Amino acid sequence: LAKTTQPISMDSYEGQEVNITCSHNNIATNDYITWYQQFPSQGPRFIIQGYKTKVTNEVASLFIPADRKSSTLSLPRVSLSDTAVYYCLVGAMDSSYKLIFGSGTRLLVRP
Amino acid sequence: GAGVSQSPSNKVTEKGKDVELRCDPISGHTALYWYRQRLGQGLEFLIYFQGNSAPDKSGLPSDRFSAERTGESVSTLTIQRTQQEDSAVYLCASSSYLGSDTQYFGPGTRLTVL
Repeated sequence: LAKTTQPISMDSYEGQEVNITCSHNNIATNDYITWYQQFPSQGPRFIIQGYKTKVTNEVASLFIPADRKSSTLSLPRVSLSDTAVYYCLVGAMDSSYKLIFGSGTRLLVRP
Repeated sequence: GAGVSQSPSNKVTEKGKDVELRCDPISGHTALYWYRQRLGQGLEFLIYFQGNSAPDKSGLPSDRFSAERTGESVSTLTIQRTQQEDSAVYLCASSSYLGSDTQYFGPGTRLTVL
């Protein structure tokens, strides 16, 4: 699975848009990009997945440039409850059972 | 059930004792996964089951770790002769099929080895 690099931590304020960028220079042709969210004392929760361009759901948007060597998770108008660790994962659908989590990005949303 | 459940939620044991951790996956999910998460770190993949078969045990940290699954339901992760470095949160996840894009995680079992 492709190695990913994310910022260790980010701070934001309620109501702001937060963008977390993940680098994955060695992404393979059949790799997808998936983001998980983890609250303290809970297991990770799937947020969004994409292959290229832009994906949007009710929680977030995922922007993937044409070269796919990075991706940006965008959280619109964050609230205090968005304080969590966000993990970027890259891997092929047929091997995604073996999710490789990095250290993630600790997002702190302040009032 | 509504989600993946794990028991116990917390386990404190003495070094050298055996522990057994239980995972109840979402009903109907054929694939089940075990991960370990040390304090402040990301998740470390341990093992997966497709049905009750575990084709790849290479993620298990040592031969003190074993796991089994009954049919397509409950799984147990057993750690024999626990060591302090085994202290971590053990997370279980399930998915509707192996390779599904979404794994649903349980709340984890926090294991503390004194």
